[in-house]
Amino acid sequence: NAGVTQTPKFQVLKTGQSMTLQCAQDMNHEYMSWYRQDPGMGLRLIHYSVGAGITDQGEVPNGYNVSRSTTEDFPLRLLSAAPSQTSVYFCASSYTGGSSYEQYFGPGTRLTVT
Amino acid sequence: TQLLEQSPQFLSIQEGENLTVYCNSSSVFSSLQWYRQEPGEGPVLLVTVVTGGEVKKLKRLTFQFGDARKDSSLHITAAQPGDTGLYLCETGTASKLTFGTGTRLQVTL
Repeated sequence: NAGVTQTPKFQVLKTGQSMTLQCAQDMNHEYMSWYRQDPGMGLRLIHYSVGAGITDQGEVPNGYNVSRSTTEDFPLRLLSAAPSQTSVYFCASSYTGGSSYEQYFGPGTRLTVT
Repeated sequence: TQLLEQSPQFLSIQEGENLTVYCNSSSVFSSLQWYRQEPGEGPVLLVTVVTGGEVKKLKRLTFQFGDARKDSSLHITAAQPGDTGLYLCETGTASKLTFGTGTRLQVTL
């Protein structure tokens, strides 16, 4: 049981480049989410999904796209990287059987945009 | 969006000391999660509290949920260097999961 996996661990992009951050979970969780973590800003929700085929925007969605074709995978796409997207990105998944969202996080992707 | 305030922001203590960190909101929590994040890793869930007045213990960690469900505290007894990390509280629903900015704890020998 690998939990939540993310690739790559580190990435450097030039302004304007695009890339996809991969996220997968093997816990059969319906809910998956992407966060970015910046110093002094805490964790901010980018996009989330409550099941395959269903995605929605979080607090800071601009410049990012997501899709959820399977329960297991939830990739995050940066369309045209900007220096403001330099951050650490975390993917998480959760069971949604109750009123709380106990999230399991991946190890993160540290992205630098130059 | 529910705002969560955590205090203190930073805490540096010596091994063996006790400490308490707080998570507060002006709104009522449906439930509240506490996480610990170590450098270079993702947050790890410690506990969920749901009922007002609830107290949960996890070894040397004691979590309390306020009676009015607007605040929560985490008390660590006899802190150890392994407790070092960023402590985060989180609440909300699917579309509005919100994290506090965290308390960064450093425990030294």
